[in-house]
Amino acid sequence: DGGITQSPKYLFRKEGQNVTLSCEQNLNHDAMYWYRQDPGQGLRLIYYSQIVNDFQKGDIAEGYSVSREKKESFPLTVTSAQKNPTAFYLCASSIRRGEETQYFGPGTRLLVL
Amino acid sequence: AQSVAQPEDQVNVAEGNPLTVKCTYSVSGNPYLFWYVQYPNRGLQFLLKYITGDNLVKGSYGFEAEFNKSQTSFHLKKPSALVSDSALYFCAVRDVNTNAGKSTFGDGTTLTVKP
Repeated sequence: DGGITQSPKYLFRKEGQNVTLSCEQNLNHDAMYWYRQDPGQGLRLIYYSQIVNDFQKGDIAEGYSVSREKKESFPLTVTSAQKNPTAFYLCASSIRRGEETQYFGPGTRLLVL
Repeated sequence: AQSVAQPEDQVNVAEGNPLTVKCTYSVSGNPYLFWYVQYPNRGLQFLLKYITGDNLVKGSYGFEAEFNKSQTSFHLKKPSALVSDSALYFCAVRDVNTNAGKSTFGDGTTLTVKP
């Protein structure tokens, strides 16, 4: 997990509330990714960014938003439009688009109150 | 489109025996292929990858994988399993010819090594 930090480790969301998950990397990587992990479904890509100030939707972007104002930071907001947010969220980065070895953070578990 | 399949949800082996975790893929062009391991409540850790060259790839912790283009497979192997190898394993693929910059992950295989 070295080089990528995610906070908090656990996050609780109330109905109708937006919450933001933090992801920071000090690896000088260009690309960053957000995945959602549910039991038995593997990893599903939410959003990814290959350069500062640019990002693309992944396979399950609805109900989520991101920003990439700095190279080292890629926060994910889970909005109230996401009706089933309970999951384990993983952030990853890679050095550049062609070198796709991804380095993962330790994850944030989001629970709904 | 790209996809990856891990046909076994669970693999059980005895310590000291060889292990195989299966992965097949589908891409329109040439693949980049990866194996990652996840321990409980942790992020994924990179094990090995195939980009080009030798079909047999060696990685961390004594794991290896063989790229088989005709069978579109990239099975993970280890000659002698350890109890500490017990974890969730993910195969991932990316089509070299796309510029999307994203990989597709399989659903994972839980490996249990019994003493």
